[in-house]
Amino acid sequence: DIQMTQSPSSLSASVGDRVTITCRASQGISNYLAWFQQKPGKAPKSLIYAASSLQSGVPSKFSGSGSGTDFTLTITGLQPEDFATYYCQQYNSYPGTFGQGTKVEIK
Amino acid sequence: EVQLVQSGAEVKKPGESLKISCKGSGYNFISHWIGWVRQMPGKGLEWMGIIYPGDSDTRYSPSFQGQVIISADKSISTAYLQWSSLKASDTAMYYCARAVTADYWGQGTLVTVSS
Repeated sequence: DIQMTQSPSSLSASVGDRVTITCRASQGISNYLAWFQQKPGKAPKSLIYAASSLQSGVPSKFSGSGSGTDFTLTITGLQPEDFATYYCQQYNSYPGTFGQGTKVEIK
Repeated sequence: EVQLVQSGAEVKKPGESLKISCKGSGYNFISHWIGWVRQMPGKGLEWMGIIYPGDSDTRYSPSFQGQVIISADKSISTAYLQWSSLKASDTAMYYCARAVTADYWGQGTLVTVSS
């Protein structure tokens, strides 16, 4: 079983800030890594796949990087609608595993 | 437009059986893995398992192996998640998602198990 560890578990940020969330895999997963945003009461939304490829319609303020075991999600110019919980997910081995989530809150 | 539409909320008693569904449209259903994700109240996301409707190849997460059955009917582009004997701890929101990158999600099915 591949374990995914996100850090931090939560963070407080202000509108306009740049935020970085990290995700570490317990073993190498190449670039088989996706990122999701979830708002309260809503289904998750796919942001990034293949570690750095933006899903269609996702604004370029979201970016992803990494390969192997260490990955990052960066959000630039935080807006009120970006305050949410973010999850990483590996799909190197099926069915995949999620990180525990990072809650981005308003400072 | 790709859509995954799930069946409605369920309220069940412990020990009862249940089968929930997820109907795909707008894409070739048989050529994409589709799976189920559990989210317990106030908690994170957990993959339960995925199925490839083209040949019914099914993969379960270790935590859910033997606890649920995932199936698909490719003739009606629908995936299913079923329990034979529900427990109170099965109370959760269940999402279907087009695997393996989970690029599309259903709206969720809330399952409440309570005596």
